[in-house]
Amino acid sequence: QKEVEQNSGPLSVPEGAIASLNCTYSDRGSQSFFWYRQYSGKSPELIMSIYSNGDKEDGRFTAQLNKASQYVSLLIRDSQPSDSATYLCAVKERGAQKLVFGQGTRLTINP
Amino acid sequence: SQTIHQWPATLVQPVGSPLSLECTVEGTSNPNLYWYRQAAGRGLQLLFYSVGIGQISSEVPQNLSASRPQDRQFILSSKKLLLSDSGFYLCAWDRTLLEAFFGQGTRLTVV
Repeated sequence: QKEVEQNSGPLSVPEGAIASLNCTYSDRGSQSFFWYRQYSGKSPELIMSIYSNGDKEDGRFTAQLNKASQYVSLLIRDSQPSDSATYLCAVKERGAQKLVFGQGTRLTINP
Repeated sequence: SQTIHQWPATLVQPVGSPLSLECTVEGTSNPNLYWYRQAAGRGLQLLFYSVGIGQISSEVPQNLSASRPQDRQFILSSKKLLLSDSGFYLCAWDRTLLEAFFGQGTRLTVV
């Protein structure tokens, strides 16, 4: 079982709709969770970090964490064409001191 | 503020040649340092991570090695490059449990 799993997509969403991205992880002791956005040919940039169960909102982005289900998600409201990118879920495992990424979900927002 | 520098941005090397990629971090001390590789259209593969000077953890058996000669310097090396070493190499830093930040990446093409 992979440590961090994401649906590779592509996920296609019409402009203005809500995009929903999902991620599961295997280490139940994981404590830190991150979402990164990566445009083609560029390095990843941090969108959201979340450390406790529940929702965390930042502008059009909402991260959701459910540690019991080992599940973290990212919602993008009012999707824009500029949101088209690959979204990477990352998990910091307790004790291991290493940051592990999922394979990423390619998101396309259609005008 | 903290910054991370990674160079060069692009590199074309013949098979069998050596490799040295350097990454330095400014504005922080004792960071965790990471080397990732990303093949075209794929996720981030963790190659090495380091929690301190001289402390290197290798994630994947391969043709590469890493060193951390100074607190904020991380070097990725190879004695003889293979075609399969081609990819996008990313250096990153973080502090325990907190978000990671990436360098601009090096696109390596082995010919």
